[in-house]
Amino acid sequence: ILNVEQSPQSLHVQEGDSTNFTCSFPSSNFYALHWYRWETAKSPEALFVMTLNGDEKKKGQISATLNTKEGYSYLYIKGSQPEDSATYLCAFTSDSSYKLIFGSGTRLLVRP
Amino acid sequence: DSGVTQTPKHLITATGQRVTLRCSPRSGDLSVYWYQQSLDQGLQFLIHYYNGEERAKGNILERFSAQQFPDLHSELNLSSLELGDSALYFCASSVGPSNQPQHFGDGTRLSIL
Repeated sequence: ILNVEQSPQSLHVQEGDSTNFTCSFPSSNFYALHWYRWETAKSPEALFVMTLNGDEKKKGQISATLNTKEGYSYLYIKGSQPEDSATYLCAFTSDSSYKLIFGSGTRLLVRP
Repeated sequence: DSGVTQTPKHLITATGQRVTLRCSPRSGDLSVYWYQQSLDQGLQFLIHYYNGEERAKGNILERFSAQQFPDLHSELNLSSLELGDSALYFCASSVGPSNQPQHFGDGTRLSIL
């Protein structure tokens, strides 16, 4: 059974704090790792898709790294703003099934 | 606006009934994915179509079926509905297979009474 774990489940930070979350996934048969941002009452929005070990991606103040050998990815937010408050989801695809398996997400709340 | 259109936005029906959810992908996207989000559950992958063909199947019940038509729109058919089928059903599309970012529609909220 393929399992994707995200930690922490939730995080409360102050405006201006930097923060990071972890996504753990199976290290075998890796195909792709996705990160999505999901605001309340909206639909998930793609942040990054990473396919190569050592990949680093950046979008504004948000960046992500990927380690496929040990099966983890980190998402970093530098200088969090209240508008960064959302649930951050990661999803793993294996090259044996091509199913997208989502983690349960990290809920971030940034206090002004 | 993601460019993915789902209809209807809301659907209320009774147990035992059958419904069809519709999804129009973003222009140029060949892949369509269906997901279910039940109360207190994460996103559960149901099925993926690429250019009209089924590419991957998740934990989709036998009572559920889907297809992607030549114009690339997709339909998810849910039959013999049960109370537990009440959920938010998302459709997403991407240019290619599952190593491309997915663009999500606003979802169809299905309520079974």
